[in-house]
Amino acid sequence: AQSVAQPEDQVNVAEGNPLTVKCTYSVSGNPYLFWYVQYPNRGLQFLLKYITGDNLVKGSYGFEAEFNKSQTSFHLKKPSALVSDSALYFCAVRPPSGNTGKLIFGQGTTLQVKP
Amino acid sequence: GAGVSQSPSNKVTEKGKDVELRCDPISGHTALYWYRQSLGQGLEFLIYFQGNSAPDKSGLPSDRFSAERTGGSVSTLTIQRTQQEDSAVYLCASSSPGLAGNTQYFGPGTRLTVL
Repeated sequence: AQSVAQPEDQVNVAEGNPLTVKCTYSVSGNPYLFWYVQYPNRGLQFLLKYITGDNLVKGSYGFEAEFNKSQTSFHLKKPSALVSDSALYFCAVRPPSGNTGKLIFGQGTTLQVKP
Repeated sequence: GAGVSQSPSNKVTEKGKDVELRCDPISGHTALYWYRQSLGQGLEFLIYFQGNSAPDKSGLPSDRFSAERTGGSVSTLTIQRTQQEDSAVYLCASSSPGLAGNTQYFGPGTRLTVL
């Protein structure tokens, strides 16, 4: 079955420190990969995506993610965390052809950045 | 408008009543998706519309759920005879296949509470 795993329910980091939010996927073929962020009582905001090409993808608000095909991972990173980065982060995968484009989401990881 | 809009933002209803949730996609976006976000199930795909093609209804949890999209723009998700387990945030997203990677842009959601 196609799935996305975010192994950490919560990640805690101090402001100014680097952060990593982990994501692994189980999809046949070459999927499209996405990260979204959700602030309280808001919808999902698109951060970045991997389609093809360079494995390191840069996105909004200084976030980046690295696609690793051999490890089937797409971890989200930021060199220096801000308190305002505190939110709920979702990794999502869109399986390749033969699919309607629907996204399969991970369960989400709460990022808490402390001053 | 500039983004996906949804109405109402909050809906409280009694068990057994019917509800209608509305989504207004980004102008020019031909694809429209409905997802449900609940504590126990995370983010689940419900239904997908693409232009004049038959919708993908594979994610609808029961025949009490239905959706339509009139004129290729606004969509309405209808839940008949609501149950308490229908309580969730219903998110709408839209995308244009012409854009690389088919990024889905989400609305703020409708929070449904069934008493």
